[in-house]
Amino acid sequence: GAVVSQHPSWVICKSGTSVKIECRSLDFQATTMFWYRQFPKQSLMLMATSNEGSKATYEQGVEKDKFLINHASLTLSTLTVTSAHPEDSSFYICSASRQEISNQPQHFGDGTRLSIL
Amino acid sequence: LAKTTQPISMDSYEGQEVNITCSHNNIATNDYITWYQQFPSQGPRFIIQGYKTKVTNEVASLFIPADRKSSTLSLPRVSLSDTAVYYCLVGDSKTNAGKSTFGDGTTLTVKP
Repeated sequence: GAVVSQHPSWVICKSGTSVKIECRSLDFQATTMFWYRQFPKQSLMLMATSNEGSKATYEQGVEKDKFLINHASLTLSTLTVTSAHPEDSSFYICSASRQEISNQPQHFGDGTRLSIL
Repeated sequence: LAKTTQPISMDSYEGQEVNITCSHNNIATNDYITWYQQFPSQGPRFIIQGYKTKVTNEVASLFIPADRKSSTLSLPRVSLSDTAVYYCLVGDSKTNAGKSTFGDGTTLTVKP
């Protein structure tokens, strides 16, 4: 099946640091990647939709200057949390899909646990 | 985007069949129904996807009635390792930029 790799799996850093998370589709070309955020005991919340070669589309309430998304190739999207603060601590998950074809499920990475001290 | 409603939690015992139902009253014509399993500190894992009637794979079955306003994930003979959160998603990769909204999911607890 389709494999999505997310790196790093765990990050601990000081407040004010910028953190970059990578999402790679290893065995298929992902025209669309999604970034989610999940707090403990809660469901996944969609943050933004990333399409290869174009600007990301952010969900309402998500600061685009805070969460920078780049989708430079069909196999790589990155999420950069700029000037992270403790309230940004969460579990970030990416998924990849092929938007040009119908009936394509999202394939998820294993998530990145971000802890800001 | 279609909203989904699932039971918050379910308990079962090893070896039993478990059926988890999801309601999606405003499902669109192009939408597919996809079920995922999530363990703590991991990303969701694809289980099964369907459009109508019944779909079966090596781990589960998916039952979708004719009006498609609900679906039921059936897990045969569950084991302790099936304890997880199960989500149903409704959407299509070519529609609404492929977006789907996660509901609250169903926490399944399998007991020995």
